[in-house]
Amino acid sequence: DGGITQSPKYLFRKEGQNVTLSCEQNLNHDAMYWYRQDPGQGLRLIYYSQIVNDFQKGDIAEGYSVSREKKESFPLTVTSAQKNPTAFYLCASGDYNYGYTFGSGTRLTVV
Amino acid sequence: DQQVKQNSPSLSVQEGRISILNCDYTNSMFDYFLWYKKYPAEGPTFLISISSIKDKNEDGRFTVFLNKSAKHLSLHIVPSQPGDSAVYFCAASQIFSGGYNKLIFGAGTRLAVHP
Repeated sequence: DGGITQSPKYLFRKEGQNVTLSCEQNLNHDAMYWYRQDPGQGLRLIYYSQIVNDFQKGDIAEGYSVSREKKESFPLTVTSAQKNPTAFYLCASGDYNYGYTFGSGTRLTVV
Repeated sequence: DQQVKQNSPSLSVQEGRISILNCDYTNSMFDYFLWYKKYPAEGPTFLISISSIKDKNEDGRFTVFLNKSAKHLSLHIVPSQPGDSAVYFCAASQIFSGGYNKLIFGAGTRLAVHP
């Protein structure tokens, strides 16, 4: 089955730690995206990548980093510079004409 | 600066009646609009879309209307069913130079369909 797999589903981070969220897709999409969802704020774009080895900052990129070494994979690292990382993180891959396909999300909590 | 706005955080509708979810946007360069449905702790799923060259698109119980002059779109669900209870996100797409495109989402409207 084609789709997007995000792991882990739940992640706990201590203050000052970096953590990496995994996102893998087998839809053969060129474009991949990371969004963050906070209550009452909808989905905000963190980073996006249209092709391998290329990515662009979204609206709230500070404190995050990404890589795109393979078409199928777009991991997101939440660094210690992100002051309020507790949120629900969604990865998507997309086709302009048919919308995005989203993963099931990772809930990150700072403990 | 919110470019896509969903001003109603919640909507309650009786089963069998029509649900109307509204969305406003500010950027006239948006050329494609989409609606997504989201259940708690899951990723959004694509529902229906409309190109800026159209004013209506229909898919079963779901119809999206676009009023470009008012920069407004709406999603109609008729008849509403309890399984439609979810958060609905409006999104707008814009293509940038170099072929990049990104979706910008509204804050969402929580729809509750009750018997």
